[in-house]
Amino acid sequence: DADVTQTPRNRITKTGKRIMLECSQTKGHDRMYWYRQDPGLGLQLIYYSFDVKDINKGEISDGYSVSRQAQAKFSLSLESAIPNQTALYFCATSDGGTQQFFGPGTRLTVL
Amino acid sequence: ELKVEQNPLFLSMQEGKNYTIYCNYSTTSDRLYWYRQDPGKSLESLFVLLSNGAVKQEGRLMASLDTKARLSTLHITAAVHDLSATYFCAVDAGSGTYKYIFGTGTRLKVLA
Repeated sequence: DADVTQTPRNRITKTGKRIMLECSQTKGHDRMYWYRQDPGLGLQLIYYSFDVKDINKGEISDGYSVSRQAQAKFSLSLESAIPNQTALYFCATSDGGTQQFFGPGTRLTVL
Repeated sequence: ELKVEQNPLFLSMQEGKNYTIYCNYSTTSDRLYWYRQDPGKSLESLFVLLSNGAVKQEGRLMASLDTKARLSTLHITAAVHDLSATYFCAVDAGSGTYKYIFGTGTRLKVLA
């Protein structure tokens, strides 16, 4: 089984809809991250969390919110989706500095 | 604010040739990471560089870190088609913050 899982893997939604992307991990890591990838722009950090009570904004947090329900679960929400939030979203975990472990990604399309 | 720049952004090279990808960053950090991403796939860790002068090698890839110059290099030796992918560097924002900022990536295409 994959160590970092994301659901859904693909999602098409309409402008103004609320959507939640979920991430779960079995690696036992405290640190979890949400990134957005757009073609030609690399990965941009949206939010990161070091434990269930520690949530931090990244480079591009506007229009997004997160919830750390447990050590193993970190969800990303778009309260009112807009077309320029169409992107590939990655969740990642970290073991404290040696590397990050990425989920398979969620491809989100906002019409 | 930490900025991470990679160059080149695109690289097309013949099999058997050597080339270097550069990763520059704007503020002090001694933790740098290289990842590989195949089309439509997730990111895979390649190298972790945790100190000035660190050098890591795996197969035809070698990565190094110069923290004084704020520069990391990923050197490709005798490229083969299987190395075609996008390569990203990522930098810890500093002092072990564990906040990682990524470069824009270098798309490598190795031609047979």
